[in-house]
Amino acid sequence: QSVLTQPPSVSGTPGQRVTLSCSGGSSNIGRNAVNWYQHVPGTAPELLIYTVSHRSSGVPDRFSGSRSGASASLAISGLQSEDEATYYCAVWDDGLNAYVFGPGTMVNVL
Amino acid sequence: QVQLQESGPGLVKPSETLSLTCTVSGGSIIGYYWTWVRQPAGKGLEWIGRVFSDGSTNYNPSLRSRLTMSVDTSKSQISLNLRSVTAADTAEYYCARASHGDYGPFYYHFLEVWGKGTAVTVSS
Repeated sequence: QSVLTQPPSVSGTPGQRVTLSCSGGSSNIGRNAVNWYQHVPGTAPELLIYTVSHRSSGVPDRFSGSRSGASASLAISGLQSEDEATYYCAVWDDGLNAYVFGPGTMVNVL
Repeated sequence: QVQLQESGPGLVKPSETLSLTCTVSGGSIIGYYWTWVRQPAGKGLEWIGRVFSDGSTNYNPSLRSRLTMSVDTSKSQISLNLRSVTAADTAEYYCARASHGDYGPFYYHFLEVWGKGTAVTVSS
C-alpha cells in the first residue's frame, strides 16, 4: 500500500486534455519535489517530469506538472496514441526515509 | 552518454540470495545515488533502495532486514543482495542513477537514467 494515491486509470480521445492526480502528505509531496515517470510495458520506465514541473530532455511540452500543497498533477494536452502508458508519481518521503512510488495511473487513448 | 546494464541469474531458489550487478559505462559513478527498482508482473514500481558512491545507503523499510547494497567504484558497479527470497521477490529489476539536492525549500531526488532491466524468477 503506497503512501501516495493515484487513480487506477484515465481515458481520453486523441487531442483531448487529461489530468492525472497524485495525492500524498506532509512528509512527501508537501515537503519534497515530486517527479513523474512514464512506463510502457516491455520497456524501462522513463523520467518524464522532475522537480514538480521540469520536463526531462526530449519530453514534448504537451506534458506539464504542477503541485498544490500535498498533491501533484500531471497534465497531458493534445493526447496522442503514443501516450498510452502507465504514469507513476514518485517523491522522497522524509518519514520513511525512502523514495516512494504511487500505484500508477494507466492512460488509455480511445 | 551514461548507460546502465543489469546482470545476474534469472532464476533463484526460494530461501537463497538474489545477487544482481549494475555496470555503469559512459560516465562516472562518483557523486550520484545508484538505485534499484523492481516491478512484479502486473504490479507497480517498487523502490528497493539506493547507495551513494561513498557507500552510504537507504533501504525500503519493508526490505531492509534482507537487503545489502554496495558500490565498487574501481569497477563502476553497483551490487544488490537480497537474502531469503520467496516467490514474492519475482520481478523485473531495474538499476537507475539518481540526481538529488535542494531545490529552494524542497529536497529533490529523481531517477534520470535507467537500465533496461533484468527478469528474476524465484522458483525451485
